Amino acid sequence: ELKVEQNPLFLSMQEGKNYTIYCNYSTTSDRLYWYRQDPGKSLESLFVLLSNGAVKQEGRLMASLDTKARLSTLHITAAVHDLSATYFCAVDMGGGGATNKLIFGTGTLLAVQP
Amino acid sequence: DGGITQSPKYLFRKEGQNVTLSCEQNLNHDAMYWYRQDPGQGLRLIYYSQIVNDFQKGDIAEGYSVSREKKESFPLTVTSAQKNPTAFYLCASSMRQAVYNEQFFGPGTRLTVL
Repeated sequence: ELKVEQNPLFLSMQEGKNYTIYCNYSTTSDRLYWYRQDPGKSLESLFVLLSNGAVKQEGRLMASLDTKARLSTLHITAAVHDLSATYFCAVDMGGGGATNKLIFGTGTLLAVQP
Repeated sequence: DGGITQSPKYLFRKEGQNVTLSCEQNLNHDAMYWYRQDPGQGLRLIYYSQIVNDFQKGDIAEGYSVSREKKESFPLTVTSAQKNPTAFYLCASSMRQAVYNEQFFGPGTRLTVL
């Protein structure tokens, strides 16, 4: 059974600081997604990572994927208050091919303090 | 504008009632999904459909039913057999065979049992 674990579950950080959210998964997959959710809202797609060593950046967020370690990271650079949200990683069940069936992590609630 | 719509936004159900949540997409996506989100938790897959007139159970299908008679529509019925239906319900869609297979989410329906 595929399990997806994120840590930390809650992250309080000051504006201007850097931090990393980790996403570990238990079985082979080469397709990982990061989403953002604002309170009471739906999910917004941030990144799609398709292969080992994939790195994508958008603004102050950078995501990477290490399929051998079964680990993805979401790095936040010089945090600003607007980044406050819950961040989810999700892994495709496919194990080498896409199934379109995703398993979500429990989410990381990020609170950026002024 | 292309997108996914869900209705209603808020829904209140009495004990023993069946209710149906609507999900419509005009993205020409083949695959559609229903997820449930409980407070402070990640998303769990209820049902998914890769093509019209076909659907599969997800991880928590008990007490729910779906139909997929049209490509654009994937309604979810929460039956009286679902003992704890209060949650936030999210519908998503994706291309079935695409490089990214990225899932895009609707705005959600918040269901409360009175």
